[in-house]
Amino acid sequence: DAGITQSPRHKVTETGTPVTLRCHQTENHRYMYWYRQDPGHGLRLIHYSYGVKDTDKGEVSDGYSVSRSKTEDFLLTLESATSSQTSVYFCAISIDLGSYEQYFGPGTRLTVT
Amino acid sequence: ELKVEQNPLFLSMQEGKNYTIYCNYSTTSDRLYWYRQDPGKSLESLFVLLSNGAVKQEGRLMASLDTKARLSTLHITAAVHDLSATYFCAVEAGNGKSTFGDGTTLTVKP
Repeated sequence: DAGITQSPRHKVTETGTPVTLRCHQTENHRYMYWYRQDPGHGLRLIHYSYGVKDTDKGEVSDGYSVSRSKTEDFLLTLESATSSQTSVYFCAISIDLGSYEQYFGPGTRLTVT
Repeated sequence: ELKVEQNPLFLSMQEGKNYTIYCNYSTTSDRLYWYRQDPGKSLESLFVLLSNGAVKQEGRLMASLDTKARLSTLHITAAVHDLSATYFCAVEAGNGKSTFGDGTTLTVKP
């Protein structure tokens, strides 16, 4: 258990509202990631972080922003949610001990109506 | 841009049979990971392959990596129902990032 939690676990929101998802880790690992998972698309990287205040875009970053002000927390914000952002969102960490093997949180199911 | 292609995407097999899942990727990388996802659950790490020729085995699953061919295989031996899941390969793309394949959904039938 890599000590990763996500909140909320489920959320239904309306189009145009802002939404923030939280990923929390208990062990202060450097690398953290946000993915979305949609049928037929596997996992796609939204943003990732390689340290406090150090973040970079992934392949599907449009419409999303992130912040990491503490090692243990990585926040994903949808500034103005759209129906195309309905998805399951996974947070992951990498322990960075010779590889970037990732450990995943339980996921957040987001529905935008 | 790194592309990762898995095949087949869906696999239905009988218990006791053998089969192989393939993961091809488009640019040079010598690190590859396999993950398993049960329906409605998160992903868990299965294998970490860090060099050409690496082979790892766990129970009825064996993974290998050929970096020259840009190919990894996940071989299933004498499948059992408990192996039913979706399997993802992920190729390390540099800077701590990995690119995932679309996943292979395996169903093992009695």
